Amino acid sequence: DTGVSQDPRHKITKRGQNVTFRCDPISEHNRLYWYRQTLGQGPEFLTYFQNEAQLEKSRLLSDRFSAERPKGSFSTLEIQRTEQGDSAMYLCASSYHTDTQYFGPGTRLTVL
Amino acid sequence: GQQVMQIPQYQHVQEGEDFTTYCNSSTTLSNIQWYKQRPGGHPVFLIQLVKSGEVKKQKRLTFQFGEAKKNSSLHITATQTTDVGTYFCAGGWRTYKYIFGTGTRLKVLA
Repeated sequence: DTGVSQDPRHKITKRGQNVTFRCDPISEHNRLYWYRQTLGQGPEFLTYFQNEAQLEKSRLLSDRFSAERPKGSFSTLEIQRTEQGDSAMYLCASSYHTDTQYFGPGTRLTVL
Repeated sequence: GQQVMQIPQYQHVQEGEDFTTYCNSSTTLSNIQWYKQRPGGHPVFLIQLVKSGEVKKQKRLTFQFGEAKKNSSLHITATQTTDVGTYFCAGGWRTYKYIFGTGTRLKVLA
């Protein structure tokens, strides 16, 4: 399968714990996006990478969220000190020189 | 700030009827994209519109971009049960940041 993959697919954690998600984009895609989606809403932009550079980060994000893309390939999204309001589907998308975004299956986070 | 509004929120149609969803941006867009998300699935890219007044067709789907590049619509002719899902528009600006609308959930009754 050469699509965008995300790991894990589901994560249940207790409030206050740290979690990390991984996204593997389509090979050679230089752009990578992270979104958050809650029930009944559209994907909410979190951050954007072009190769390894993080070019934009949503002002909606608190300092508890951080994302990396160290070698311009896979990316990680870490949430520190999780809160119940962080429960959502976290989606990753990638694109290559065009704006067509290919989404992964997402990681569903539940914070108890 | 940049906002993208989408209406209606829900639409139930009989199979064979037409369907339209509308998208409006608070500011002029660089481009607009449309996505479809099936229940339990992830968004799937449908199309991108870039030019003022642009109209594109994909079989039974017709996409329009307004002259002022602030609004867009998706029209489905003669809906089928396979059209079920949520349709999102995503407004794009030159910074490559995309803001998604709240989506229109389409149900098609056989």
